[in-house]
Amino acid sequence: GAVVSQHPSWVICKSGTSVKIECRSLDFQATTMFWYRQFPKQSLMLMATSNEGSKATYEQGVEKDKFLINHASLTLSTLTVTSAHPEDSSFYICSAPGAAGELFFGEGSRLTVL
Amino acid sequence: DAKTTQPTSMDCAEGRAANLPCNHSTISGNEYVYWYRQIHSQGPQYIIHGLKNNETNEMASLIITEDRKSSTLILPHATLRDTAVYYCIVRVEYNFNKFYFGSGTKLNVKP
Repeated sequence: GAVVSQHPSWVICKSGTSVKIECRSLDFQATTMFWYRQFPKQSLMLMATSNEGSKATYEQGVEKDKFLINHASLTLSTLTVTSAHPEDSSFYICSAPGAAGELFFGEGSRLTVL
Repeated sequence: DAKTTQPTSMDCAEGRAANLPCNHSTISGNEYVYWYRQIHSQGPQYIIHGLKNNETNEMASLIITEDRKSSTLILPHATLRDTAVYYCIVRVEYNFNKFYFGSGTKLNVKP
């Protein structure tokens, strides 16, 4: 299947700083990517849809100024957690749709904010 | 916005078939049933999907009832590495349509 890669896998940052997470589709183009967040022992929660060349669309309750999404090319979407706080500590996962409608997921990025 | 109901957890003996049920009584005619699994601290892995016919691939089989209100994912010979949370999702097979995850079933494969 198609491969989606995220970087970094782990990141620790101080409160108040910003953190960027990259999501790449390695062997296919993705005009759309999805970003999820997962807290411990919970399911995945869809945060936003990243659209190549246009603004991201956010799910209800997700702060767009807090979670900046940029989809500058057909293979790269980035999520920036701005002014991170401990409550933003979570597992962030990106995904991209394949040709048959299935979603391929990245390995996830674990953010810890001290 | 999940439209599925799954048991919270299930146990299965290693080497035996694991049968994971999913109820989706409000499924629409154009919605597919997708199955994913998530091993601890990893991104979800696609397993299989189908519309109304039974499907089989190298990982699993998907049995969908005739009225399409429920389905069963079958892992024919479960191994310890199949221990994971299994998610059943229904959605239209459309490239940009979103996936909403429910709570899933934690499958524990035991020696």
